[in-house]
Parts: sequence; C-alpha cells; structure tokens
Amino acid sequence: GESVGLHLPTLSVQEGDNSIINCAYSNSASDYFIWYKQESGKGPQFIIDIRSNMDKRQGQRVTVLLNKTVKHLSLQIAATQPGDSAVYFCARRSQGGKLIFGQGTELSVKP
Amino acid sequence: SQTIHQWPATLVQPVGSPLSLECTVEGTSNPNLYWYRQAAGRGLQLLFYSVGIGQISSEVPQNLSASRPQDRQFILSSKKLLLSDSGFYLCAWSPQVGQAFFGQGTRLTVV
Repeated sequence: GESVGLHLPTLSVQEGDNSIINCAYSNSASDYFIWYKQESGKGPQFIIDIRSNMDKRQGQRVTVLLNKTVKHLSLQIAATQPGDSAVYFCARRSQGGKLIFGQGTELSVKP
Repeated sequence: SQTIHQWPATLVQPVGSPLSLECTVEGTSNPNLYWYRQAAGRGLQLLFYSVGIGQISSEVPQNLSASRPQDRQFILSSKKLLLSDSGFYLCAWSPQVGQAFFGQGTRLTVV
C-alpha cells in the first residue's frame, strides 16, 4: 500500500552535533520526495526535496539522501542549532499528484 | 508571488453544528489543492485533494466533505460535527510538479 513511515518518533541531539532523521517508504511508484519542518502550532515548511533520479541533494546545512533500492530517505542536519528543534516530516508524491506524509520525528536540541 | 490564506486560525464549535473552513490561493492558476488533518503529536492525514475545479478525491471515509467552487478556492465542510473531528486542519497547494505550500492551519475544537 501507499505509506511513508519514520523509524524514530523522537530524536535528541546536542547543539553543534549532526542530526540524521530517517524515513522509509513502501511504494516505489513515486518520483519526488520532500522534507518538511513543522514548528508547534504552525503549518509545515519546506526544507529540501529530491527527485528519484538523484541519490543526494544538498542545501544550506541540510542534505537529503535517497536510496531507492531499500526505499529509504534521510535528512541530515549539520551543526544542529536550538532553532532546528521541531517535528520533521518526509513526504512522497504518489500517482495522481497527492502528497503522502510520514508520521514525523520530533527533534530536540540540547544546549 | 504565491500566497495561501486559511481561516479562521482557531475555532470552537459544539457537537452537531456545521463547519466551513475556507482556503484561497493567490498568484497561481490551476493548483493542486489539499486538506490535511493533524491530531496532536501525530502526522498529517490527507483528507481531500483536488487537481481541478469540481474534481475532488476523498482519501478516508469521514464526516467531512470538500468543494472547489473556483480554481483557487478550497472549502472543507461538515453538516454535523463530531467530537472526533477536533484537530489541526491544514490547507496546502502545489503546482503540478514540485513542493506543496501550507497555510497556517485551523485549530478546531469540538465541544
């Protein structure tokens, strides 16, 4: 079936360390993946995306890795800061254009 | 630039009352439109999505309905609210290809 799930519901890291948030998906019929950040009481904000013809994409302090063989997506945040504390969602665009989200990982950054 | 407006920000409604949440998009044409619901501490559940006027796809059986009377207007409705309809409702739009952009959400409490 179509589902996007996350390995860990919570992640706690020390300020300055790197964070890795993982996501697994079950349906390979998708050509586009997105990571979102959601702060409490707000709508999700776009972080970075990747198309299925790529396996890595880098942004400012963030990197997304896509492994289509094992249907795994990860978000790496370098030098994590307190402002990075939020819930992170992976999402996949499925057939017909709908966007399916995973359950989310709550990232907590300790000063 | 494109913007998305969703209102109201918060809403408290009694059980059995009707519901109408409105979402409008500016600065683009023929967007894909989405309604999501998010329970506390949980992921985003896709309720409805639309790829054009009058074209609504429902993802889960529920007490809600959606309509798209104009190209950039998406309305979420209910004739009689249930307690289980409480949650954080998010509207989003996306181009045919690319990421989705979210509104700020409506916190609905059914009492």
